[in-house]
Amino acid sequence: AQKITQTQPGMFVQEKEAVTLDCTYDTSDPSYGLFWYKQPSSGEMIFLIYQGSYDQQNATEGRYSLNFQKARKSANLVISASQLGDSAMYFCAMRPNNNDMRFGAGTRLTVKP
Amino acid sequence: EPEVTQTPSHQVTQMGQEVILRCVPISNHLYFYWYRQILGQKVEFLVSFYNNEISEKSEIFDDQFSVERPDGSNFTLKIRSTKLEDSAMYFCASSEAPRETNYEQYFGPGTRLTVT
Repeated sequence: AQKITQTQPGMFVQEKEAVTLDCTYDTSDPSYGLFWYKQPSSGEMIFLIYQGSYDQQNATEGRYSLNFQKARKSANLVISASQLGDSAMYFCAMRPNNNDMRFGAGTRLTVKP
Repeated sequence: EPEVTQTPSHQVTQMGQEVILRCVPISNHLYFYWYRQILGQKVEFLVSFYNNEISEKSEIFDDQFSVERPDGSNFTLKIRSTKLEDSAMYFCASSEAPRETNYEQYFGPGTRLTVT
């Protein structure tokens, strides 16, 4: 069975600082994709970053980077230079090869001015 | 930039009534999905749809639920007899390629369903 765990229900970070949001997963599939989505208070789901299980390098997208540690089955999201607009729920998700995506419980990030 | 659209943005219905939630996926996408998010909780997979049939469904997707692609553009989720616990945000998503892990799923803005 696939399982996604986000152990931090809430996180605070000072504006302009970096923050790491934790995500661990469990799957027996050798091929899978890992995703992070942002959900602001308006409710929409915004794709941030993707990491494939066979990718050799950690994914980066602007201020977002994914710290992928395959042996530990972790895929932490790092947001650098936090902005007030980063305050939102962040969901980690995994899609193994059968194509249905499972989400973690989410982490609520609050950026303080 | 192409986007997934959903209508209505908010639907209020009485318990026992049927509702149909509508989605227009991105036009060249082949895989379609429905997810739900009960207020304050995580996003849960309901069903995936490819080549005019269900490819995967979760335990949540029971006989009360059905999906359809009635024409070339719409993808619908029907709940036959709504229950109070069906109140949630329902997200439609689509992706470009089947059975590939690295294709992003594009989410629609969601339909908030309130069952009274």
